[in-house]
Amino acid sequence: KAGVTQTPRYLIKTRGQQVTLSCSPISGHRSVSWYQQTPGQGLQFLFEYFSETQRNKGNFPGRFSGRQFSNSRSEMNVSTLELGDSALYLCASSDSDRGGGYTFGSGTRLTVV
Amino acid sequence: AQSVSQHNHHVILSEAASLELGCNYSYGGTVNLFWYVQYPGQHLQLLLKYFSGDPLVKGIKGFEAEFIKSKFSFNLRKPSVQWSDTAEYFCAVIPMYSGGGADGLTFGKGTHLIIQP
Repeated sequence: KAGVTQTPRYLIKTRGQQVTLSCSPISGHRSVSWYQQTPGQGLQFLFEYFSETQRNKGNFPGRFSGRQFSNSRSEMNVSTLELGDSALYLCASSDSDRGGGYTFGSGTRLTVV
Repeated sequence: AQSVSQHNHHVILSEAASLELGCNYSYGGTVNLFWYVQYPGQHLQLLLKYFSGDPLVKGIKGFEAEFIKSKFSFNLRKPSVQWSDTAEYFCAVIPMYSGGGADGLTFGKGTHLIIQP
């Protein structure tokens, strides 16, 4: 079974731009969640999608948004990028909608300059 | 909101030493508990998980963890560590709501474990 695939692996963007990150979950997994990892704040939950519906959202500003498609693939968008958005963005998928085990992808390293 | 506390940010051990990493969480209701490991340059991998039943759970690579509900703890243990266990270890919880839904994972800050040969 292929794992969770995130693209691209690395991104460099300029402050004020917007960015879209992509995540393909493990085949059959309907839950996709996103996390931000930084040295200062650690791993923080952004949001979770299940069957194309956002079920939960973490404490992030509205500049962070996402969506899930009918094939369970998910995208995350960050608008009006700030320097503080530089981070590793991780996607995780699960076959459960009840807090089951999550499999993580390798992440997208976003650098905002 | 729930929180997770990992008491040791950096741990240095020699090979063959025993390991125990502490994890405490704050949430009054039912939770699912996890330990993840991140080896240098690699992605997060699930070591073990606890949902219900026997509070002593065994995971991969000889790791185990014990859930003590009264102490809100889920400590990770390994009787004899190896150099290859050098990694970052994260404890995580997810609250289970009465309606059967779940929130996202809340992670601890992580413990950087270095095993000296």
